[in-house]
Amino acid sequence: AQSVAQPEDQVNVAEGNPLTVKCTYSVSGNPYLFWYVQYPNRGLQFLLKYITGDNLVKGSYGFEAEFNKSQTSFHLKKPSALVSDSALYFCAVRASSNTDKLIFGTGTRLQVFP
Amino acid sequence: ETGVTQTPRHLVMGMTNKKSLKCEQHLGHNAMYWYKQSAKKPLELMFVYNFKEQTENNSVPSRFSPECPNSSHLFLHLHTLQPEDSALYLCASSQGLQGAEDTQYFGPGTRLTVL
Repeated sequence: AQSVAQPEDQVNVAEGNPLTVKCTYSVSGNPYLFWYVQYPNRGLQFLLKYITGDNLVKGSYGFEAEFNKSQTSFHLKKPSALVSDSALYFCAVRASSNTDKLIFGTGTRLQVFP
Repeated sequence: ETGVTQTPRHLVMGMTNKKSLKCEQHLGHNAMYWYKQSAKKPLELMFVYNFKEQTENNSVPSRFSPECPNSSHLFLHLHTLQPEDSALYLCASSQGLQGAEDTQYFGPGTRLTVL
């Protein structure tokens, strides 16, 4: 069965430091991977996606994610965190053999301290 | 977020009330989705419409009734809800199942409280 795991409920980082939000997945076919961010009282905003090609994907607001097939991971990264990055981050996967559903993780709350 | 709008943003209703949630997308998409977001749980896909046809009903109780009159509008009709139905209801749209890379774009959600 397809699944996504975000092992950390919360990640704390100081402003200016690099940040990583972890995601691992399990699918039967080739994975199509997505990251979304949710600010308080808002819907989910699309950040980036991996379809094929380069393992390092660049997205909105300076975020990037690295696809690692051997480790079945798709961690979200940013070289220098901002206080305004504080939000809830969701990883999602769609297996190529099942194109009508996104499977979401439980979310990771990122807190960036000044 | 202005590409997908949802009304109302907040709704409080009793268990005997009937209400409707509205979603409208201005992105020219062909597929629309309803999700339920509860605290500490993954997003739950409820319904999918593609070209106005319902293609997914994820074992949702009949007290939730979707309606998709056209590709730009999606409704969720609510009746005799339970307190455990209190959640954030999110609408999303996408180009429409043209490939696994199809990206969904979300509205701001309706915060529903059932008393």
